[in-house]
Amino acid sequence: DAKTTQPPSMDCAEGRAANLPCNHSTISGNEYVYWYRQIHSQGPQYIIHGLKNNETNEMASLIITEDRKSSTLILPHATLRDTAVYYCIVRVLEYGNKLVFGAGTILRVKS
Amino acid sequence: EPEVTQTPSHQVTQMGQEVILRCVPISNHLYFYWYRQILGQKVEFLVSFYNNEISEKSEIFDDQFSVERPDGSNFTLKIRSTKLEDSAMYFCASTPRGGRNSGANVLTFGAGSRLTVL
Repeated sequence: DAKTTQPPSMDCAEGRAANLPCNHSTISGNEYVYWYRQIHSQGPQYIIHGLKNNETNEMASLIITEDRKSSTLILPHATLRDTAVYYCIVRVLEYGNKLVFGAGTILRVKS
Repeated sequence: EPEVTQTPSHQVTQMGQEVILRCVPISNHLYFYWYRQILGQKVEFLVSFYNNEISEKSEIFDDQFSVERPDGSNFTLKIRSTKLEDSAMYFCASTPRGGRNSGANVLTFGAGSRLTVL
């Protein structure tokens, strides 16, 4: 699985958009970008994933650059409950394939 | 929304004792996983399980660990003789089986079992 690079921490004001970057310059053509988050030692929670097109769901939007070497997770209106560690993971969509977690980005949403 | 359920939420044990952590995966899921997270560290993969056998295991998953699916619903992690360094949060996860483009290869995690070894 391709390695990802994320900033160790970010701050965001409550109600503003949180934009979390991820670099994955060695991503392969068949690898997807997944985002998970972990709120205060709870189990990791799936947010969104994509291959090359931008994706949006009820939680977030995922913007993947055209060359697929980087992506941005956008939380459109961050709340205090979005304070968490956010993990960007690149992996092949193959059933039974594990997730490999890095250190992630600690997002602190402040009032 | 379907959940992965883990018990106990917290277990305290003495070094050298056997511990069994239990998980009830989502009912139509077929792949099962255990992860652990030592306080302040990364979430680490331990083992994956499919069709009643281990699919993959990490270096952490040595002979003191074992997994089992004793019936149609439970998935257990046994630590045979606990050490101080086994103190961690243990997360169970499961995923369904689906077509390559179905987008269903999402791991759903439980809330975790905190193991404290004294």
